[in-house]
This record gives sequence, structure tokens and C-alpha cells, in this order.
Amino acid sequence: GAGVSQSPSNKVTEKGKDVELRCDPISGHTALYWYRQSLGQGLEFLIYFQGNSAPDKSGLPSDRFSAERTGGSVSTLTIQRTQQEDSAVYLCASSFQGVGGYTFGSGTRLTVV
Amino acid sequence: AQSVTQPDIHITVSEGASLELRCNYSYGATPYLFWYVQSPGQGLQLLLKYFSGDTLVQGIKGFEAEFKRSQSSFNLRKPSVHWSDAAEYFCAVANTGNQFYFGTGTSLTVIP
Repeated sequence: GAGVSQSPSNKVTEKGKDVELRCDPISGHTALYWYRQSLGQGLEFLIYFQGNSAPDKSGLPSDRFSAERTGGSVSTLTIQRTQQEDSAVYLCASSFQGVGGYTFGSGTRLTVV
Repeated sequence: AQSVTQPDIHITVSEGASLELRCNYSYGATPYLFWYVQSPGQGLQLLLKYFSGDTLVQGIKGFEAEFKRSQSSFNLRKPSVHWSDAAEYFCAVANTGNQFYFGTGTSLTVIP
């Protein structure tokens, strides 16, 4: 597509439930990133996929968070047993040219009640 | 460790006035530096970036930024602000591992 697409745009879930957030990167982009933006905070790096290499998971805050990227394209970020502190906007970005070519999606706003 | 500081949480300027948003970074090598803008409910849009070369970088929407190594700064400027510039602005530094480190952002309000 023309841009990075994220779905859903908004998600309200009950504490303890699992959620899946989806990111469709720009076609041909080999790198994909997930960031979390909490209210009043900057962007927190979560995970980075580059081609077929093992992902950089160093930013995932706990083992409740996981992500996969199927076929080198679509990525799903899964949060298990959601907690209220997981409430945030989750942003996905993709890149073909490395750091110079990031394009961000509009994000998924997750609210845990 | 890499980090970015944006000392101003919120700035208010009058339309037509000049603007400067501050950004300081901590990085051991020559950094890749970026400014992004985020309008409400939107993702981040790249305004400009610095990799090397000329330390004064021109971006979109009339913005520019100057890299000052001695001050570890990369301040964003615009000579005349428009009401449509009201948004959240993020400075970021990237390492060679393609990982971005963002500041906490500066919220810009433009008054008529």
C-alpha cells in the first residue's frame, strides 16, 4: 500500500484479556519496528525486524509481549494478560533504506479497563 | 547509552512569530538525528534528518535544524509559524543498529 497501515485504530479491552495488534508495512520494506507511546512520554522501542534475521526484542517490557512477522511482511504484536499500564498508542514503522527511510503508521490506541 | 532530551514540554507562540524547539542528545559517535511531527490521532511524519555534511538541514513545511556537535544539540527552527504547525514535535537519535531513541516531545500551541 501507499503507507503503513495499522489495525485496529482503537482497541478497548478488559484487564487480563489478550490482544493482537496488526501492522501492514509498505510493500518491499525489509525493516519493521514497533514502538509504544504512553501518555506524556516519548516513544519506547519495543522490537525490530530486519529481513530474515532474528528480531531485536530488547525493548519488549515483559514476557507478556511478543511479536511475529510472517512472510517478511505483515507483523502482529500480541499482548497477553493485558494490564492497565499497557494502555498506550502502539506505533509501527517500516523502512527500506535503513534509518533514513522510516515511515510510521497512525498507530493503535489501546485502552485496558 | 543513547538518549534525547527535549527540555520544553510545551511552547506557545503567536502566529507569524519565530520558533525554536530545543533538542539535546547523548551519543558516543556521530549520530543520525531526526525531527518528527505528530498531529492529533496521526502517526509521526518526518520533518528533516541529519546524517553528515552541512550542519544546517532544511526540511519540509519551512522547518530547519542545526547540528551543533560542541553543544550536542539539534534545535528545530521556523522563521514564521502558521496555525497549522500546532502539533507535537519529537527529536530522535538513531544508532547504527537502526534503533531510534526519541525525546518525550514538545507540544506546540499557536495562538492567533
